[in-house]
Amino acid sequence: SAVISQKPSRDICQRGTSLTIQCQVDSQVTMMFWYRQQPGQSLTLIATANQGSEATYESGFVIDKFPISRPNLTFSTLTVSNMSPEDSSIYLCSVDLGAYGYTFGSGTRLTVV
Amino acid sequence: QQQVKQSPQSLIVQKGGISIINCAYENTAFDYFPWYQQFPGKGPALLIAIRPDVSEKKEGRFTISFNKSAKQFSLHIMDSQPGDSATYFCAASKGTYKYIFGTGTRLKVLA
Repeated sequence: SAVISQKPSRDICQRGTSLTIQCQVDSQVTMMFWYRQQPGQSLTLIATANQGSEATYESGFVIDKFPISRPNLTFSTLTVSNMSPEDSSIYLCSVDLGAYGYTFGSGTRLTVV
Repeated sequence: QQQVKQSPQSLIVQKGGISIINCAYENTAFDYFPWYQQFPGKGPALLIAIRPDVSEKKEGRFTISFNKSAKQFSLHIMDSQPGDSATYFCAASKGTYKYIFGTGTRLKVLA
């Protein structure tokens, strides 16, 4: 299975600022996914990132708030823009390895103050 | 139609006991049902998964039971150990794309 490195692991940010989260995979993958896990809650898909095309956002998530880059087959970034305390969550990147299912990074624990 | 309902929200089991977590879905198009285990500070990790053409799948101490007509599936952890203490998520998808996750079950196994 793939190894996913996600950075930073945690951060405390001021409201109104932006944070970019990086996700690096040790093998080439077609699709990368970004999830949000609010405290004590389930995982919600934010968007799907394919290399060479615009990310596809789920209902309730917009590109202006969560811009995503996917410059190659092993790397993606998610930016959380103009943050508010409601954005405090764990953000997880994930890749689909077919028979191995989704593999998740360890997540970025974001606190907005 | 897209929801996956998971119960219980939390579960306490004695060491050596059986932990049972249940999930129900509505969308009959779902054809892949994985379970994930998440430890604090870690991302979820795939535990076991099943497709609707079988009614049960066992891997070690972990068993998925699947009831297609009732649109329900469950995770059984036999001989539960303190190291099994984690949050468990069921999920459902059509193919292996766009998982819909349940709300999670926080399991605590007492030593």
